[in-house]
Amino acid sequence: DGGITQSPKYLFRKEGQNVTLSCEQNLNHDAMYWYRQDPGQGLRLIYYSQIVNDFQKGDIAEGYSVSREKKESFPLTVTSAQKNPTAFYLCASSITSNQPQHFGDGTRLSIL
Amino acid sequence: AQSVTQPDIHITVSEGASLELRCNYSYGATPYLFWYVQSPGQGLQLLLKYFSGDTLVQGIKGFEAEFKRSQSSFNLRKPSVHWSDAAEYFCAVGVKTGKLIFGQGTTLQVKP
Repeated sequence: DGGITQSPKYLFRKEGQNVTLSCEQNLNHDAMYWYRQDPGQGLRLIYYSQIVNDFQKGDIAEGYSVSREKKESFPLTVTSAQKNPTAFYLCASSITSNQPQHFGDGTRLSIL
Repeated sequence: AQSVTQPDIHITVSEGASLELRCNYSYGATPYLFWYVQSPGQGLQLLLKYFSGDTLVQGIKGFEAEFKRSQSSFNLRKPSVHWSDAAEYFCAVGVKTGKLIFGQGTTLQVKP
């Protein structure tokens, strides 16, 4: 079955530590996205990539970094510079930009 | 600036009753419009989309939405709600850069 796989489902971070969230898709989609979801705030775009080896900042990129070395993979690193990282993180992909996005099941990140 | 407003944060309906979830958007050009549904702890599932053409759009699970350009609205409807429809619903507008702008979501509770 084609889809988007996010791992791990739950992740805990210690103060001052970087953590990386995995996102893999086998849909052959060009575009991939990372969102952060906080209660009552909907989804906010962190980074997006329209093609391999290229990505752009979204609305809340500070404290995050990404890479897009392969079409199927778009990992998100939450750095120690992100002071409030506790949230639900969602990865999505679409065939191209402006097409419907397909979502993974999310990773919930918490601070120890 | 582009934005999406879902005026109702929380709605409760009785099972079997009709449902309408409101969505208003602000965007200068012709929008791409989407409705997504999210169950607790899960990713988002696409219910329906509007790109062009017929302003009444049919989606999955018996949902439909009507695009009204004059009112900048894209309200979601279902004639008879089932208990399994209880979830959070998000309206989104696709903008020229390929990004999606999401509303804050409406939580639907279904009374037996």
